[in-house]
Amino acid sequence: AQSVTQLGSHVSVSEGALVLLRCNYSSSVPPYLFWYVQYPNQGLQLLLKYTSAATLVKGINGFEAEFKKSETSFHLTKPSAHMSDAAEYFCAVSQDGNEKLTFGTGTRLTIIP
Amino acid sequence: GAGVSQSPRYKVAKRGQDVALRCDPISGHVSLFWYQQALGQGPEFLTYFQNEAQLDKSGLPSDRFFAERPEGSVSTLKIQRTQQEDSAVYLCASSPGGFFQPQHFGDGTRLSIL
Repeated sequence: AQSVTQLGSHVSVSEGALVLLRCNYSSSVPPYLFWYVQYPNQGLQLLLKYTSAATLVKGINGFEAEFKKSETSFHLTKPSAHMSDAAEYFCAVSQDGNEKLTFGTGTRLTIIP
Repeated sequence: GAGVSQSPRYKVAKRGQDVALRCDPISGHVSLFWYQQALGQGPEFLTYFQNEAQLDKSGLPSDRFFAERPEGSVSTLKIQRTQQEDSAVYLCASSPGGFFQPQHFGDGTRLSIL
């Protein structure tokens, strides 16, 4: 069965520093991968998605992620953190033949002023 | 345009009561999903509709959980004889349909069972 693992339930970075949130997937076939962000008391908002068109995916708010098949990873990065980036981030996977998403346990990002 | 709308935003019920949670998807979206999000966890899949057909209900935790989408638009998730372990945020999402289409989420219904 497909799954994703997010390393680090909490990540803190200083404002202006690099943001790196880790996601590894487990799938026997090429997956579709997504990153979502969740602000308090809100639903999930799509940041970006990988659907095999390009390994480096650019999303909203300056985020990007790189699909690395050899490492089964899809880490999320942003060159310079902003206070407004503080939120919960979820990596998710779906596979051809099934639209449902399987989510990781999430990473809470804190930005230090 | 209007996003996915869920109501109520908050629901408090006594153990044993029945509850109904409503989801209004984005107009024209074929696919509709329900997820359950426990405190501090990622969402977990409950069930999926394509138009009015319920194609996957493998995530429903028990036969107390029931979902419907009779006209292929609004959906209702019903929980009968609620238990404390049912306390969670219930998220609804819709998409135009297709494996690469992103799902658009509502703000959820926070259910608390006393």
